[in-house]
Amino acid sequence: EDQVTQSPEALRLQEGESSSLNCSYTVSGLRGLFWYRQDPGKGPEFLFTLYSAGEEKEKERLKATLTKKESFLHITAPKPEDSATYLCAVQAIGGKLIFGQGTELSVKP
Amino acid sequence: GAGVSQSPSNKVTEKGKDVELRCDPISGHTALYWYRQSLGQGLEFLIYFQGNSAPDKSGLPSDRFSAERTGGSVSTLTIQRTQQEDSAVYLCASSLAEYRGGYTFGSGTRLTVV
Repeated sequence: EDQVTQSPEALRLQEGESSSLNCSYTVSGLRGLFWYRQDPGKGPEFLFTLYSAGEEKEKERLKATLTKKESFLHITAPKPEDSATYLCAVQAIGGKLIFGQGTELSVKP
Repeated sequence: GAGVSQSPSNKVTEKGKDVELRCDPISGHTALYWYRQSLGQGLEFLIYFQGNSAPDKSGLPSDRFSAERTGGSVSTLTIQRTQQEDSAVYLCASSLAEYRGGYTFGSGTRLTVV
């Protein structure tokens, strides 16, 4: 069964304290791995797509990496405005996205 | 429109009543998806439309749930005889082509069944 597990469930950081979020997956035939950001009361906002092991993508303080079994979202020197829930999803053969439960990130000034 | 629009943003209904949730996707986006997000849970796939047809309805929880899309644009998700376990945020997303992963999501409809 296709499955996505994110850890930790919640993460509290001080401003400037770098860290990583983990997304472990099992899927038959990975077509892509996606990271989204979700703010309270809003829909998820697309961040990155990764397609193959070894691929990396960056956007401002965020960097996403992919291996054959997991993906990491690295946050460098976070700011309070980076506080949000970060969602990971995999796309398998057949197409639909399967989401993890998310990591709630809180960055304190 | 500029983004995916969902209405209403909030809906409180009595158990046993029917509700309709509306999604207006980005103009030109042929693919449309419905997801459900319960408190503390991840997004749960419900149904996918390509144009007006629904090739994948596998996520609809029961026959109380149905959805349609007309004119390749607006979609309506209908829940009949609502139950308390139907309480959740219902999210709609659209994309340019079939299962292109950079979906654009709406802000959702928060449904509360009392």
